[in-house]
Amino acid sequence: AQKITQTQPGMFVQEKEAVTLDCTYDTSDQSYGLFWYKQPSSGEMIFLIYQGSYDEQNATEGRYSLNFQKARKSANLVISASQLGDSAMYFCAMRERDTGTASKLTFGTGTRLQVTL
Amino acid sequence: DSGVTQTPKHLITATGQRVTLRCSPRSGDLSVYWYQQSLDQGLQFLIQYYNGEERAKGNILERFSAQQFPDLHSELNLSSLELGDSALYFCASTPTGGSSGTQYFGPGTRLLVL
Repeated sequence: AQKITQTQPGMFVQEKEAVTLDCTYDTSDQSYGLFWYKQPSSGEMIFLIYQGSYDEQNATEGRYSLNFQKARKSANLVISASQLGDSAMYFCAMRERDTGTASKLTFGTGTRLQVTL
Repeated sequence: DSGVTQTPKHLITATGQRVTLRCSPRSGDLSVYWYQQSLDQGLQFLIQYYNGEERAKGNILERFSAQQFPDLHSELNLSSLELGDSALYFCASTPTGGSSGTQYFGPGTRLLVL
């Protein structure tokens, strides 16, 4: 069975600093996809970034990058130059069988990030 | 704005009642997923539909049912409601033919059962 582990219930970071949110996963599949979502206090789930298990390069989307270490089964999210608007809950998620065929996401418990002045 | 719409945004009802949550996926997306987010259980997958047919089932109670209509909108029906059904219910859709299978979430329906 798939499992996503986020060990940091809460994190603080100063504005303009970088922060890393940890995510480890467990799966027996060779092919899978990893995602990060942001959930502000308003409640919506916002897609941030995706990494396929066969992608050789780490994914980047603007200030977000995903530090993918396949052998360690980790997919950490790095946010550079933090902004006050980055304060939110962040969820790591995994989709098995990364063939583009749609299937369910398994989520971690989330990390609450607070950006301070 | 993800392009996925959900109605209503908020719903307050009593135990034993039945409610219907509605979701319209992004234009052209054939897959619709329903998730429940609660404080004790976190985010859990309930059910997936693809082009009108049930594709996968997760931790969905027998009191809950869903369907996807020919116009691709979906409805999640929750019956015999209990206090523990209070949660945020999300619908998500996936672009057809996309390589990542990224799911785009609607704004959610916040259900409160009193």
